[in-house]
Amino acid sequence: AQKITQTQPGMFVQEKEAVTLDCTYDTSDQSYGLFWYKQPSSGEMIFLIYQGSYDEQNATEGRYSLNFQKARKSANLVISASQLGDSAMYFCAMRENTGFQKLVFGTGTRLLVSP
Amino acid sequence: GAGVSQSPRYKVAKRGQDVALRCDPISGHVSLFWYQQALGQGPEFLTYFQNEAQLDKSGLPSDRFFAERPEGSVSTLKIQRTQQEDSAVYLCASSLSRGQPQHFGDGTRLSIL
Repeated sequence: AQKITQTQPGMFVQEKEAVTLDCTYDTSDQSYGLFWYKQPSSGEMIFLIYQGSYDEQNATEGRYSLNFQKARKSANLVISASQLGDSAMYFCAMRENTGFQKLVFGTGTRLLVSP
Repeated sequence: GAGVSQSPRYKVAKRGQDVALRCDPISGHVSLFWYQQALGQGPEFLTYFQNEAQLDKSGLPSDRFFAERPEGSVSTLKIQRTQQEDSAVYLCASSLSRGQPQHFGDGTRLSIL
């Protein structure tokens, strides 16, 4: 069975600083996808970044980058130059590439960006 | 807007009542997923549709939960004889096709009194 572990319930960062949110995963599949979503207090899940298990380069999307270490089964999210609007819950998720491709989520990390 | 639309945003019901939650996916999206998010937790998978076919309902917690997508577009999640443990945010997501990222709606916050 697939499992996602996010060990940081909360993180604090000052505006303009970089922050890393941790994510480790467990799967017996060789082919899978890893995602990060942002959930503001409004409740919507906003897709941030995707990494495929066979991608050799770390994914980047603007200020977001994914530090993918396959051997360690980790997929940490790095947010550079934090902004006040980055304050939200962040969820790491895994998708099986076989079957119907449901997402399995971690418990989330609440990020608070201070001025 | 062109995103996933869910209604109502908030629903309060008395224990034992039936409720229906609606999801309008992004136009043209083949895949549709329902997730349940308890307070302080990550979303958990409930069921999956490919067009009008419900291909996976392994996450539905009991036979009180029922979902449909009769014309392959709008989907409805129905909960019969609601219980307090059904209180959660219900999220709908759609994707263009298999392998594409899932895009989520704002969710319906269900409170059972």
